[in-house]
Amino acid sequence: SQQGEEDPQALSIQEGENATMNCSYKTSINNLQWYRQNSGRGLVHLILIRSNEREKHSGRLRVTLDTSKKSSSLLITASRAADTASYFCGVIQGAQKLVFGQGTRLTINP
Amino acid sequence: GAVVSQHPSRVICKSGTSVKIECRSLDFQATTMFWYRQFPKQSLMLMATSNEGSKATYEQGVEKDKFLINHASLTLSTLTVTSAHPEDSSFYICSARSGARYNEQFFGPGTRLTVL
Repeated sequence: SQQGEEDPQALSIQEGENATMNCSYKTSINNLQWYRQNSGRGLVHLILIRSNEREKHSGRLRVTLDTSKKSSSLLITASRAADTASYFCGVIQGAQKLVFGQGTRLTINP
Repeated sequence: GAVVSQHPSRVICKSGTSVKIECRSLDFQATTMFWYRQFPKQSLMLMATSNEGSKATYEQGVEKDKFLINHASLTLSTLTVTSAHPEDSSFYICSARSGARYNEQFFGPGTRLTVL
């Protein structure tokens, strides 16, 4: 990947369970962003967490950031079949380039 | 949120031909646009960054003569894949950033290119 690793690469869980995805990055950041991509589609911005924040919530999403470990996690609670997608974390490199991790392919089984 | 469109959504062409993909920001002015390429089950790889009215900045390993980028206006950027070959078959996604909402980057729906 251009900026780091995400794990797991693939995750399959039952509907209603929680899904946790992790992301690591290499450079210093001002913020970290999570995106969702449905198969064959563009990316949808989910949430942005700034470097001075440790945790952020948005609906069923919870994002944490540990700048000392250069890592972030995305938690989706009470998963639904419609949450099936690939999830990517992205960080800004240099002045303006948004680059992504490898992504996690999440499958929610009904 | 802001909307970015891409055209065409899908294109099939013969090897050796050139293909142009358009990316438009529909309701905002995009001072910066980005082009990404994505192979199946892989992440998005940044190809180039373009600022309106100036030459694009290409990532290492991306041939600027093969992937021509034009960002002639604040709402339109084009990517032309010249002399396309089967290995250029991929999903191309553009993204646009508004100068006013710097942290937010909006993505187009992508263009599936298949080179026969």
